[in-house]
Amino acid sequence: AQSVSQHNHHVILSEAASLELGCNYSYGGTVNLFWYVQYPGQHLQLLLKYFSGDPLVKGIKGFEAEFIKSKFSFNLRKPSVQWSDTAEYFCAVNGPGGGNKLTFGTGTQLKVEL
Amino acid sequence: DTGVSQDPRHKITKRGQNVTFRCDPISEHNRLYWYRQTLGQGPEFLTYFQNEAQLEKSRLLSDRFSAERPKGSFSTLEIQRTEQGDSAMYLCASSLASGTGELFFGEGSRLTVL
Repeated sequence: AQSVSQHNHHVILSEAASLELGCNYSYGGTVNLFWYVQYPGQHLQLLLKYFSGDPLVKGIKGFEAEFIKSKFSFNLRKPSVQWSDTAEYFCAVNGPGGGNKLTFGTGTQLKVEL
Repeated sequence: DTGVSQDPRHKITKRGQNVTFRCDPISEHNRLYWYRQTLGQGPEFLTYFQNEAQLEKSRLLSDRFSAERPKGSFSTLEIQRTEQGDSAMYLCASSLASGTGELFFGEGSRLTVL
């Protein structure tokens, strides 16, 4: 079965610091990869996604992620975080190993301090 | 609002009672998913429908849980004889079968079992 690991459960950064959140998945075949964000009191929203092509994908609000197939990784990055980026971030994957559904990681709670 | 809507948003019940949640997906989406999320965890897959057919169920979905999507539009998730361990956020999401697997989530129904 498909599994997703997010290594950082809680991250605290100051505004303008750089961010990198780790994500690794277990399945070695063709996968689709996603990062979702959940702002306080809001529903899960798509931040960015990778299906094929350029392994560096750009999403909303200045976020980007890099797919490294050899490392089964899809890490999320942002060069300079803002207080409004305080949220929980979830990595998710689907593909033949997981069927027609998304498998989520446990999430990373990001707090950005002023 | 043309997003995924869920009802009720909050439900408090006593152990042993039955509860039912409703989900209205985005109208043109033919796939509908139910997930469960507990504190500190990512969303866990429960089941999904394509049109009115229930195509996959997780082993998390015990016999006390039943989901329906009778006309391929809205869906209900019923939990019979609730237990305290059922306390969680129940998330509904929808997507297009022809899409790339991106799920659109509702705001969830929070269940508290006393």
